[in-house]
Amino acid sequence: QVQLQESGPGLVKPSETLSLTCTVSGDSISSYYWGWVRQPPGKGLEWIAHKHSGGSTNYNPSLKSRVTISMDTSKNQFSLRLTSVTAADTAIYYCATVQSFRFDPWGQGTLVTVSS
Amino acid sequence: QSALTQPRSVSGSPGQSVSISCTGTSSDIGGYNYVSWYQQHPGKAPKLMIYDVSKRPSGVPDRFSGSKSGNTASLTISGLQTEDEAIYHCCSYEGTYTLLFGGGTKLTVL
Repeated sequence: QVQLQESGPGLVKPSETLSLTCTVSGDSISSYYWGWVRQPPGKGLEWIAHKHSGGSTNYNPSLKSRVTISMDTSKNQFSLRLTSVTAADTAIYYCATVQSFRFDPWGQGTLVTVSS
Repeated sequence: QSALTQPRSVSGSPGQSVSISCTGTSSDIGGYNYVSWYQQHPGKAPKLMIYDVSKRPSGVPDRFSGSKSGNTASLTISGLQTEDEAIYHCCSYEGTYTLLFGGGTKLTVL
């Protein structure tokens, strides 16, 4: 059974870069697509991006200029970088397996607050 | 790329049936059969309940069903149980390998 766990700083200063890592257990990240979804406090979900280890990457057009997803197959991890953050980027960030345009399973999520 | 439209809240009594709508356009819901639904309890991660409009993952009760008509998808929960109280999110493929979520609907079981 695939399990995902997010990790990274819980506090990021405005204009800096948010960096999160998702560690996958129970399957190789060489299979499937792997992605990120976020949820601002009290609001709905927002798809950020997803990537296959073979290189294909798809980004939310509204975030594309600031987002990078990378993968480390040796550690079975994938990562998210979001540059030039503002308070609007404060959210719970989830990593998830992406299969045929559905997210399953999900990590437990990690809250990232953007504040000075 | 506007969010899919869901009602803010719906409610029902135990044993009843409720439906939650998710309205998009011909460029997303209406154009593809890749609608998924997620259940989210407070403080928890979302859980996949329906995918490809009407398919149920293993382990999801058959009380949960999905359908689509034109640009609107629906999630129906029959035989409501107290544990069904949660927020439900819809998601649709919108072409060019991009995905779009709705704003979420809070289901209250009275």
